[in-house]
Order: sequence, then structure tokens, then C-alpha cells
Amino acid sequence: QKEVEQDPGPLSVPEGAIVSLNCTYSNSAFQYFMWYRQYSRKGPELLMYTYSSGNKEDGRFTAQVDKSSKYISLFIRDSQPSDSATYLCAMDEETSYDKVIFGPGTSLSVIP
Amino acid sequence: ETGVTQSPTHLIKTRGQQVTLRCSSQSGHNTVSWYQQALGQGPQFIFQYYREEENGRGNFPPRFSGLQFPNYSSELNVNALELDDSALYLCASSLLRTGEAGTEAFFGQGTRLTVV
Repeated sequence: QKEVEQDPGPLSVPEGAIVSLNCTYSNSAFQYFMWYRQYSRKGPELLMYTYSSGNKEDGRFTAQVDKSSKYISLFIRDSQPSDSATYLCAMDEETSYDKVIFGPGTSLSVIP
Repeated sequence: ETGVTQSPTHLIKTRGQQVTLRCSSQSGHNTVSWYQQALGQGPQFIFQYYREEENGRGNFPPRFSGLQFPNYSSELNVNALELDDSALYLCASSLLRTGEAGTEAFFGQGTRLTVV
């Protein structure tokens, strides 16, 4: 079993849809949970950062962490064509960024 | 755009050769982490440099080595290149302070290495 699993997609949705992206993990020591967006031929860009369990909202994006189920989600409301990218979940036991484990990424296409 | 710059952007090397990739960290950051991202995969942590010393290493062989300079820029060196080393190599910079949580890591655009 991989340490972090993520549905690779591709996921295709119409503009305006609500998108749900999910990851599961096996290491109960993870405390810091991140979502990155990666456009083609670019480096990953941090979208959301959450410590421990709970929800965090930033504009159209909501991140949820359920440590009891080892499950994290990213919701995108009112999706836009500019949201078309690969979304990577990432996790770490500490904030020193020396043990960050990334999921394989989900490719998302938002169709106008 | 982040303040993290990587060079070169693309590189083609022959199996068995050596390669050096470079990363300039964002102003004010003192830590650089290197990642390997194979096609269709998430980035895999190679190692991190903090205050010019290796501060953590992933599951990569010793032929992957690095340096950090006093200005916090960094190099990734790979010896005896193999075909499987073909990937996007990313560096990320962040700020670590002793006893405090680190800041978020900002990624560069990566160096696309092709080994033939």
C-alpha cells in the first residue's frame, strides 16, 4: 500500500460544477496537510494548508481533514476553466518540509 | 510566479554522464528541498539543505548529492545517470527558524532532465 493514495483521474467537469478531490493515507503521524495545484510545465503552487483535523476555507476552495479516517478532501466551488490543472495532496509529520509525501495527483479539466 | 528560479529549464544527457542542476531560493528563505517528479507522478523528496548542511534525505542512492551555498542557493548533482533518472526536478525554498514552525515552501518551475 502506498503511503498516500489519490485517484489519478482524469476528472472532467462542466464550468460552475462543484469538484471534490480526495486522498487517503496510511501514516497516522501526519499532522500537516497541503493541497498543491500544478499547471502543465510548471512547479506546484500551494493552495491550502491545514494542521490536524478540521475544515479550512479560502474563497472557492475548502479543505477538509479527517484524521480518524485518514482521509482529506479539497472542494472547489463554481469551478472555472482556469482551475484545469493537476491537484496534488501532500502531507508531513512536521513543518520542516523534509518529509513531505505527495500523492500522485488528480488531473482536472473544467469544460467551458 | 514565485521567487525560486531553476536552471537550466531543459537538459538532455547520455546514460552514465553526470549532471548539475541549480536553484536560487526565494529572498529571505534559508532552506532548499529537492524533489524528483516522474511523468504522471507526484514529486518525491530527494533531500533538503538547511544552513549549508543536508537536513533530511529521501530514498535516493548516494549518486544523488547536493550543495547549499552561503547565499542559500543550491545544486543537485547526479552521477552515473540512468534512464530512470529522466524526470522533472523541482526545488522548493522555505524559511526554517529553530523552535518554530517552518513557512510554506515555494517551488521553482523545475528542470526537465531527459537521459538517453
